[in-house]
Amino acid sequence: KAGVTQTPRYLIKTRGQQVTLSCSPISGHRSVSWYQQTPGQGLQFLFEYFSETQRNKGNFPGRFSGRQFSNSRSEMNVSTLELGDSALYLCASSLNKHNEQFFGPGTRLTVL
Amino acid sequence: SQKIEQNSEALNIQEGKTATLTCNYTNYSPAYLQWYRQDPGRGPVFLLLIRENEKEKRKERLKVTFDTTLKQSLFHITASQPADSATYLCALEGRSGATNKLIFGTGTLLAVQP
Repeated sequence: KAGVTQTPRYLIKTRGQQVTLSCSPISGHRSVSWYQQTPGQGLQFLFEYFSETQRNKGNFPGRFSGRQFSNSRSEMNVSTLELGDSALYLCASSLNKHNEQFFGPGTRLTVL
Repeated sequence: SQKIEQNSEALNIQEGKTATLTCNYTNYSPAYLQWYRQDPGRGPVFLLLIRENEKEKRKERLKVTFDTTLKQSLFHITASQPADSATYLCALEGRSGATNKLIFGTGTLLAVQP
């Protein structure tokens, strides 16, 4: 079974721009979660989607949004980028809640 | 607010010894606790999941305990090997509602010396 894939792997943007990151979950997994990882804050939950519906959302500003498609693939979008948005963005898929999560390799976003 | 603490200092041990990592939490009553391993530049990899009504779980050289009274989980790696060197993260999950949200600790860096 193919693992979770994320594209792109690396991204450099400037302040004020917007960015879209993509995640393809493991086949059959309907839950996709997004996390932000920084050296100072560690891994922080952004949001989770299940069957195209957002089930939960973390404490991030409205500039961070996401969606899930009928094939379970997910995208997250960050608008009006700030320097502090520089981070590793990780996507994880699972069958449902209370199950192990399978993480992708992440997208390294640098905001200049 | 919810807080999860893991050994902030790196843990250095000799090959063959048992590594013990600690995860303490406050202001939270998780129903599930998970441990993950993360190597530099990679996403976390799932190791073990333990439920609140389970005291101990084992998988090969790994053992995790979950004490809801002490609000603590211990993660043991027996007969440690240099290949076990990585950052280990504990993650908590609540019981109620339709959620798959994990709250992660900041991780402990384990270095196993040959």
